[in-house]
Amino acid sequence: GAVVSQHPSRVICKSGTSVKIECRSLDFQATTMFWYRQFPKKSLMLMATSNEGSKATYEQGVEKDKFLINHASLTLSTLTVTSAHPEDSSFYICSASFLPQVFLAEAFFGQGTRLTVV
Amino acid sequence: AQSVTQLDSHVSVSEGTPVLLRCNYSSSYSPSLFWYVQHPNKGLQLLLKYTSAATLVKGINGFEAEFKKSETSFHLTKPSAHMSDAAEYFCVVSANFGNEKLTFGTGTRLTIIP
Repeated sequence: GAVVSQHPSRVICKSGTSVKIECRSLDFQATTMFWYRQFPKKSLMLMATSNEGSKATYEQGVEKDKFLINHASLTLSTLTVTSAHPEDSSFYICSASFLPQVFLAEAFFGQGTRLTVV
Repeated sequence: AQSVTQLDSHVSVSEGTPVLLRCNYSSSYSPSLFWYVQHPNKGLQLLLKYTSAATLVKGINGFEAEFKKSETSFHLTKPSAHMSDAAEYFCVVSANFGNEKLTFGTGTRLTIIP
């Protein structure tokens, strides 16, 4: 099956620094990638949708200047958390689809990144 | 508009007994429905999906779910629980035959008692 790899799986950073998380589709071309945030004991909240070569579409309430998303190629999307604060600590998960939308094709999920800001 | 309600935040069953995880949905029309499983600190794995074909859907690891439009339900079942089934399970809906973004339920934690 399709494989999505997320890196790093775990990162600890100091307040005020920036952290980059990578999401790669290893064996297919991901037209669309999705970034989610999962709070402890909570569900996944969609942060943004990115299409290769165009600007990401952010969900309401998500700060686009804080969570920078780049989808420069059909196999790589990155999420950069800028000027991180402890409240940004969370589990971030990406998913990828080879169709413009999720129509009839499940999105393939990465293994997630645990971000801790100290 | 679409939403998902997982009726139980936590379910405990003994190994070898049946599993029932309940999910009700709301969707403007023609929903696609999914069940995902998440093991601790891992990503999500698709168990099964309903996309307007057969209402009884069989998935991986012996799981199945039945789409009941009259009850707006999509409950997940398994005849006999294994220890490896212990995980978090998410019911997910996408309206318009899956053309809309995924909306996740709040999850059900399944615990298996030896």
